[in-house]
Amino acid sequence: KNQVEQSPQSLIILEGKNCTLQCNYTVSPFSNLRWYKQDTGRGPVSLTIMTFSENTKSNGRYTATLDADTKQSSLHITASQLSDSASYICVVSALNRDDKIIFGKGTRLHILP
Amino acid sequence: DSGVTQTPKHLITATGQRVTLRCSPRSGDLSVYWYQQSLDQGLQFLIQYYNGEERAKGNILERFSAQQFPDLHSELNLSSLELGDSALYFCASSVGRGQFGNTIYFGEGSWLTVV
Repeated sequence: KNQVEQSPQSLIILEGKNCTLQCNYTVSPFSNLRWYKQDTGRGPVSLTIMTFSENTKSNGRYTATLDADTKQSSLHITASQLSDSASYICVVSALNRDDKIIFGKGTRLHILP
Repeated sequence: DSGVTQTPKHLITATGQRVTLRCSPRSGDLSVYWYQQSLDQGLQFLIQYYNGEERAKGNILERFSAQQFPDLHSELNLSSLELGDSALYFCASSVGRGQFGNTIYFGEGSWLTVV
């Protein structure tokens, strides 16, 4: 069964600290993995897109890694800011199956001042 | 602002009724996607249109239908509404045909409450 599991469900850290969010998937065959940031009540915003051959991709203070062998991805946030408080959603798509787009349930990140 | 416009922002309706959600994609984008986000299920892909044609179908119920018009705007029709249909419905758009390699831009969503 195609699944995307994210951990932790929620995370609280102090402003300025780093954190890492995890995403494990069983979607096969794999096409690409995306990380989105979603503020409460708003639409998701794309952070990174990675394909099979990419191991890491950065977008400012956000760095995503992908290990296609172990089917794991992580999103590392450096020097967190209050505006990073949001849900972070991992999305995995199956190869040649644009109908197979599996969303994780997200990690809710709270940044405290 | 992603450039994707959705209306209405909020909608309250009764069970058994029918509603239409509207979406205008970003200028130049040919693909439109519809997603449903509920508290317990998270985000789910419903359907994609590319340049007026249905391209991919996800977990869309038979009571739901969508279309994309020649001017590329799209509508999602939800009928025989049930309490469980209460959710945030997102429209998104991208330039290309497929999900691969395309950045997908989301609208702000339409909150549907079925009472």
